[in-house]
Amino acid sequence: GDSVTQMEGPVTLSEEAFLTINCTYTATGYPSLFWYVQYPGEGLQLLLKATKADDKGSNKGFEATYRKETTSFHLEKGSVQVSDSAVYFCALGGNTGGFKTIFGAGTRLFVKA
Amino acid sequence: EAEVAQSPRYKITEKSQAVAFWCDPISGHATLYWYRQILGQGPELLVQFQDESVVDDSQLPKDRFSAERLKGVDSTLKIQPAELGDSAMYLCASSLTHGEGEETQYFGPGTRLLVL
Repeated sequence: GDSVTQMEGPVTLSEEAFLTINCTYTATGYPSLFWYVQYPGEGLQLLLKATKADDKGSNKGFEATYRKETTSFHLEKGSVQVSDSAVYFCALGGNTGGFKTIFGAGTRLFVKA
Repeated sequence: EAEVAQSPRYKITEKSQAVAFWCDPISGHATLYWYRQILGQGPELLVQFQDESVVDDSQLPKDRFSAERLKGVDSTLKIQPAELGDSAMYLCASSLTHGEGEETQYFGPGTRLLVL
């Protein structure tokens, strides 16, 4: 069945460092891909999304490109801030299997001042 | 800004007791989702409604869990009897339309359940 695998955390970075969180997926067909973020004590919120191959989603300095050939949707940010400390979830949403959204396990990011 | 409301925020119960969670989606959102998030894992879909109809409950443990959305607006998720393994965060989300996967889901703050 469909699945999402993302890199284990926690990831600890200093402020202004470059961030990459890897995400790969397995799916039949061509799902939409998402990154959600969960700040401490809050619910999940959509960070960015891409609906087809080669699309780039971007928001708040974060970017991710839908790579069909490598079945990946890696999250990147050029310069992280302390306020980016959160848990990041990669997810796929489908035009297959009843449109179910499947989440990865999440990657916790700590950013030190 | 419109938000998804959930209550209670926290619930502690003893095993074999009944618990219920409530969700009020963003006004006008036809699709409502209940997820379970075990600590350290991503959310897992339990049930999805389109208006008042269930469109996916394949992962809902139907021997103890039930969900309803009688008027197609707010929803209740019930567990009876609760088991120790049910301790988790229960998240509710809503979106404008069903299907396609592209539609953004808006999440509530969740209900954290602890079963003793």
